[in-house]
Amino acid sequence: DAKTTQPPSMDCAEGRAANLPCNHSTISGNEYVYWYRQIHSQGPQYIIHGLKNNETNEMASLIITEDRKSSTLILPHATLRDTAVYYCIAFYNNNDMRFGAGTRLTVKP
Amino acid sequence: NAGVTQTPKFQVLKTGQSMTLQCAQDMNHEYMSWYRQDPGMGLRLIHYSVGAGITDQGEVPNGYNVSRSTTEDFPLRLLSAAPSQTSVYFCASTPGGENEQFFGPGTRLTVL
Repeated sequence: DAKTTQPPSMDCAEGRAANLPCNHSTISGNEYVYWYRQIHSQGPQYIIHGLKNNETNEMASLIITEDRKSSTLILPHATLRDTAVYYCIAFYNNNDMRFGAGTRLTVKP
Repeated sequence: NAGVTQTPKFQVLKTGQSMTLQCAQDMNHEYMSWYRQDPGMGLRLIHYSVGAGITDQGEVPNGYNVSRSTTEDFPLRLLSAAPSQTSVYFCASTPGGENEQFFGPGTRLTVL
């Protein structure tokens, strides 16, 4: 499975867009990019995933570069409740998701 | 649907004791997994199951056993608890394929 690298922490002003980067330079052609988040010590929550094309849902947008070596999760209007640890995961086997340390996003008023 | 449920929420054990963490899901998902999360770290896969009667090891399986006799339940057994097993344990389920995983609320285990 491809290893991902993310910045350990980021800040964002409330109401602004939060752009969380992820590097997955060793991703293979059949590996999806998934984003989950974990608020406090709760179970991780699915946000979005994609393979090649950009994706958007009610929570976020996912922008994947054409070479698929990196991606960006965009929270368009961050709120205080979006403060969490965000995990970027690249894998093809749903049986073996490997979580890194993630990015701790702090949304500030 | 209750989703993924885990019991207990908290547990304190003494070194050498054994216990079973319970996990159940009511979504008829084939795939179920157990993860542990140590402070400041991401989740690590312990064991997983692709269906009733089928289990396999993940990244950190030592000291843990699992079985899957029904689609709904996937218990995790600690054979002889050690302080290194102090962690938060999460159970997850998914229909498989590219579908998302659904996580339970976690069990916080302390081994003294």
